[in-house]
Amino acid sequence: GQQLNQSPQSMFIQEGEDVSMNCTSSSIFNTWLWYKQDPGEGPVLLIALYKAGELTSNGRLTAQFGITRKDSFLNISASIPSDVGIYFCAGQLGGGSNYKLTFGKGTLLTVNP
Amino acid sequence: KAGVTQTPRYLIKTRGQQVTLSCSPISGHRSVSWYQQTPGQGLQFLFEYFSETQRNKGNFPGRFSGRQFSNSRSEMNVSTLELGDSALYLCASSLDLERRETQYFGPGTRLLVL
Repeated sequence: GQQLNQSPQSMFIQEGEDVSMNCTSSSIFNTWLWYKQDPGEGPVLLIALYKAGELTSNGRLTAQFGITRKDSFLNISASIPSDVGIYFCAGQLGGGSNYKLTFGKGTLLTVNP
Repeated sequence: KAGVTQTPRYLIKTRGQQVTLSCSPISGHRSVSWYQQTPGQGLQFLFEYFSETQRNKGNFPGRFSGRQFSNSRSEMNVSTLELGDSALYLCASSLDLERRETQYFGPGTRLLVL
């Protein structure tokens, strides 16, 4: 089945720094999604990407759908303490009963005030 | 609008027992998916329900089952619990099958199997 490699596994940064994380796959996806999970909560969708090459922003967050459809990255600019959490990428393939969403293992982000 | 609610939030069971977890989707949402989250395997898809029918299933043994009621509420059941079933079980709801990527997750039920 599809495997998603998400890196880095964890990051420890200073407030105000920019952050970059990425996901790569051995297979292509139709959609890339980025989620954030806070402690004790479920993941929350940050950005959805639907087309190869697409670059989308949501406030200080920017994500891109790789041209090969096998990778995606998420950038966070000017990090703040509330950015702390686990960030997940997810790739989607298929529709109907063949719909399949595969998640990366997550990037744990710690921001030092 | 209230979010996705899951009950109970925490549960401790022993090996061999069975457990039922409940999920109430956002009002108006008709599709409910279940996921298992563990440190080792990450988030893995269990199954998806829409209009009281299972529409999609992940690669989990038959001990894991679910159902959906006419009000879109869903339950999942795990029989003959194993230590490896200890995990956070997340439920997510979406309006329908066409907008799954905009699914909303609940806070999860943390299950510990001793």
